[in-house]
Amino acid sequence: KAGVTQTPRYLIKTRGQQVTLSCSPISGHRSVSWYQQTPGQGLQFLFEYFSETQRNKGNFPGRFSGRQFSNSRSEMNVSTLELGDSALYLCASSSGASLQETQYFGPGTRLLVL
Amino acid sequence: QQQVKQSPQSLIVQKGGISIINCAYENTAFDYFPWYQQFPGKGPALLIAIRPDVSEKKEGRFTISFNKSAKQFSLHIMDSQPGDSATYFCAANEQGAQKLVFGQGTRLTINP
Repeated sequence: KAGVTQTPRYLIKTRGQQVTLSCSPISGHRSVSWYQQTPGQGLQFLFEYFSETQRNKGNFPGRFSGRQFSNSRSEMNVSTLELGDSALYLCASSSGASLQETQYFGPGTRLLVL
Repeated sequence: QQQVKQSPQSLIVQKGGISIINCAYENTAFDYFPWYQQFPGKGPALLIAIRPDVSEKKEGRFTISFNKSAKQFSLHIMDSQPGDSATYFCAANEQGAQKLVFGQGTRLTINP
């Protein structure tokens, strides 16, 4: 079974631009979560989608948004990029059958904002 | 506000030794506690997880000890090997939500 895939793997943007990151979950998984990883703040939860609906949300500004499609693939968008948005963005999937399942992480998208 | 505190930040252990990483939490609504291992350039991978109704769980060389009254849990890696060199994260999931809160991570180095 293929793992979680994320595209692109690396991205360079400038301040003020917007960016869209993509995540394909493990086949059959319906829950997709997004996390931001930085050296200073560590791993922080952004949001979780299940069956195309945002089910949980972290403490990030409205510039961070996401969506999930009917095939469970998910995208996250960051608008008006700031230097502090430079980070590794990780996507994780789980089957969604319960709320205490293993979350399987992808390799991440490394975003650099100049 | 750091909901899950992890220590130490870095740890060096000799091959064959025991590596111990500790975590503490405040939120009593947490009811699922996984440990993740992350290698450079990779996403975190689940090592082992425990629920608060169990005080210890062992899988191979990896053991989680859980103290519900003290709100602490720890990872023990027995017979540590150079291939165990990685960053380890403890995490906690709040009851009723698919939302992991991570500790700050421990960079483990196993010297051959």
